[in-house]
Amino acid sequence: AQSVAQPEDQVNVAEGNPLTVKCTYSVSGNPYLFWYVQYPNRGLQFLLKYITGDNLVKGSYGFEAEFNKSQTSFHLKKPSALVSDSALYFCAVRDFYSNYQLIWGAGTKLIIKP
Amino acid sequence: NAGVTQTPKFQVLKTGQSMTLQCAQDMNHNSMYWYRQDPGMGLRLIYYSASEGTTDKGEVPNGYNVSRLNKREFSLRLESAAPSQTSVYFCASRDETGANSPLHFGNGTRLTVT
Repeated sequence: AQSVAQPEDQVNVAEGNPLTVKCTYSVSGNPYLFWYVQYPNRGLQFLLKYITGDNLVKGSYGFEAEFNKSQTSFHLKKPSALVSDSALYFCAVRDFYSNYQLIWGAGTKLIIKP
Repeated sequence: NAGVTQTPKFQVLKTGQSMTLQCAQDMNHNSMYWYRQDPGMGLRLIYYSASEGTTDKGEVPNGYNVSRLNKREFSLRLESAAPSQTSVYFCASRDETGANSPLHFGNGTRLTVT
């Protein structure tokens, strides 16, 4: 079965430090991977996606993600965290066996401390 | 440009009551979706509509019905609400002309069933 996992419920980072939010996946074939962010009391917003090509994908708000096929991972990163980055982050993978719908991770709460 | 608009924002129902959640998008998207979000479970797809006049079941359709009223509007109906349907409901839309175009979300409806 195709799946995606976010192994950390919460990540705490000091402002100005680099941040990483982890995501691993299990799919048959080539994965189509996505990151979304959810601010309090708002809907999800698209950050970035990996379809093919360069393993380092750049997205909105200074975020980037590194696709690693051998480790089946797609970790979200940012070189210098801001307090405003505090939010809930979701990783998702496209499910080729369910009419290409998205399979979502459980989400990781990112807390950036001043 | 409003994007995806959901109404109401909050609702409290008693067990057995019915209600309809409304969703409208002004981006001329073909595909529309209804998700529910529960703590620690990510997003789960309830129903989706790939185009006007079509609807399909997602992962958790039981207890729900949908109507794709026209290209803009996609409503979700709970005929007899149950406490297990307490959740935050999100409507989303997508431009299907891009195979991996991102989802655009509304701000959600927070539903409590007592």
